[in-house]
Amino acid sequence: GAVVSQHPSRVICKSGTSVKIECRSLDFQATTMFWYRQFPKKSLMLMATSNEGSKATYEQGVEKDKFLINHASLTLSTLTVTSAHPEDSSFYICSARDPLTGVNEQFFGPGTRLTVL
Amino acid sequence: GENVEQHPSTLSVQEGDSAVIKCTYSDSASNYFPWYKQELGKRPQLIIDIRSNVGEKKDQRIAVTLNKTAKHFSLHITETQPEDSAVYFCAAKAYNFNKFYFGSGTKLNVKP
Repeated sequence: GAVVSQHPSRVICKSGTSVKIECRSLDFQATTMFWYRQFPKKSLMLMATSNEGSKATYEQGVEKDKFLINHASLTLSTLTVTSAHPEDSSFYICSARDPLTGVNEQFFGPGTRLTVL
Repeated sequence: GENVEQHPSTLSVQEGDSAVIKCTYSDSASNYFPWYKQELGKRPQLIIDIRSNVGEKKDQRIAVTLNKTAKHFSLHITETQPEDSAVYFCAAKAYNFNKFYFGSGTKLNVKP
C-alpha cells in the first residue's frame, strides 16, 4: 500500500513554544490529508481535513488558530501547534488518501508523540 | 454528523477462540466501513473493509458483516492467536465525504 511518513516521531517542548509536525505521502500525491489526535487508550479524533492549495477544514471544537495546518504541496501537510500547553500533549497522527487506488482507503502515518512540559 | 459506537471496549479470549467486535452507526449515508488494527505506539493498519452493497466479506481468519437496515457491522476473528492482541477500531464514511468517523476502539487480548 501507499506510504505516509511523519516527522518528528517524538517531540518534547516547553510550554508556550510552537511545534511543527510534518506529514508526507512518499509514493503518491495526496490532495487531501487528515489530522487526528489520539489520547492514551482512546480513539482517533479527527481534528481537520487538509486540502492542497486551499484552507483546511476544522472539526467543531478545534481551534484553527491553535492548530495551524498548511498543505502547500501534493505530498506535504504540516500541523503547527502554536503556544503549546501541557494539555496539548498527545499522539498526533496524519493520514492521506491515494486517489489512484480508490476513493475510500486511507493510509496512516506513524504518529508524533508530543509532550509539552 | 455521523456517530459510531463500538463494543466492547475490552475483550479477552483464549487462544483459538473466536472474537467478535460490534459497531453501530447513525448516518444512513455512510457506505464504507473499514476496520483498523493498532498495536501499541504504532499506526492503525487497515485489516478489512466492506462497502454497503455487500453483506459479508471474509479474508482468511477475519470476516466483517454488515446490516444496513439495523445500521450495524461486526468484525469476526476466528482461531485467534496471541499476535491478534491489539486495539481494533471500526470506522464509517459516506461516499461523497472525505471524513472517516471512528469508533472508540476495542482492546483485544488473546491469552496463550
